[in-house]
Parts: sequence; structure tokens; C-alpha cells
Amino acid sequence: EAEVAQSPRYKITEKSQAVAFWCDPISGHATLYWYRQILGQGPELLVQFQDESVVDDSQLPKDRFSAERLKGVDSTLKIQPAELGDSAMYLCASSGTGGAVAYEQYFGPGTRLTVT
Amino acid sequence: AQTVTQSQPEMSVQEAETVTLSCTYDTSENNYYLFWYKQPPSRQMILVIRQEAYKQQNATENRFSVNFQKAAKSFSLKISDSQLGDTAMYFCAFMSVSTSGTYKYIFGTGTRLKVLA
Repeated sequence: EAEVAQSPRYKITEKSQAVAFWCDPISGHATLYWYRQILGQGPELLVQFQDESVVDDSQLPKDRFSAERLKGVDSTLKIQPAELGDSAMYLCASSGTGGAVAYEQYFGPGTRLTVT
Repeated sequence: AQTVTQSQPEMSVQEAETVTLSCTYDTSENNYYLFWYKQPPSRQMILVIRQEAYKQQNATENRFSVNFQKAAKSFSLKISDSQLGDTAMYFCAFMSVSTSGTYKYIFGTGTRLKVLA
């Protein structure tokens, strides 16, 4: 069964350092989402791509966060410099286009970031 | 702006019993979708059940069913014959479709459900 892949699964970094997360969506899925999930809370959308274009990055702290999906397939989320408050789970999800369940999101296992 | 509220941070239920998780939402839109997602401890989030707002019939998936009250903007999840594997965080989510055709999701804060043996 196709799955959303994410790496690394865990990352510990010191504040002020740069960190990057990678996501490979389900093949053929045009929409890719990056969420941040603070422990005990629900996912909060950071950025949403439709193919290679950003369609929503209103909640992305653009002074330190960046995201790209250059060829409309896999994506990278970067934080530079990392701050203590960035410690969270970073989830990637994807959804397809067309069909009855085009809107259904499939989630990856997430990357747990700890900033020390 | 749309909001999703889950007022029960934690719940517990005895194995084989029935439990209902609550969710309310606020929107001015008429066409939208609602979901319940399950996030087991240290495992990835998976979809439990979905409901299209234009459908009056409540969705059912095996032991999981919803009570969708559109006028009251309420969307509760009922788990029948609870099993130990149902122990997880449960998130209610609202999805709308923008004029450009993109999907926008909003999640609630979650309910931690523990099934007791």
C-alpha cells in the first residue's frame, strides 16, 4: 500500500542551527501539506502545495521557515535558525485530485523535532 | 473563519462498551466535509470516517458512526464495542473547498481516548 514517507523520524538540534525535513507524498498526489503539531494539540497547517505552487502559506513563519516542492513531487521544509519554540512534530500529508475521495489526506509518520 | 472545537480533552471507556466523542464547528459555508482522524501513540494519523455536509445520512464504518447535526454544527463520533486498539488521540477536522478548488483543513485540539481492559 502506498504511503507518505518522511525523514528523518527524529531530529535533535541546538537553537540557532538549521534543520531540514523531507517528505515524499503518495505517487500521483498533487496536493502536499506540511503541518506542525505541538504535543497534545491538533495539527496546524504551515504550508500547502498544489503541484509545485504554494497555495497557502499564511501560517508559515517566513522569517525562519521555508518550503519548496520544486518538481511537484517531494518537498523539503527548512527552519533557520531553529528556536526552542519550534520543538514539535512536523507532519506531511498528501491528497490526490479527481475522484470521489480526492480530498482525503494521507499522513506520513512525522518528524519529531527537539530544539535544545 | 472556521473553527473546530473538541471539548473533551480526555476520555476513558471500558472494553466492549460504547463511547461518544464530541465535536462542534463554526462556519458560514454550506458545502464542506467533516472527518474524524485517529492518531495512535507513536503512530501516524489515519482517517476513521468522513461525512459530506450535503448528505443527511450519518456515515458509518464498522464500529464507528457519526451523529451529524448540520443545523447545530455538531459532529460526534460513536465507537461501539470499544477495543484496546482504539486507544488513541482522536481529531475532528473540517474541510472546505476554496473558489480555486484547493482544500483547506482545520483540526480540533483532539480527545485522548483510553480503552480500559
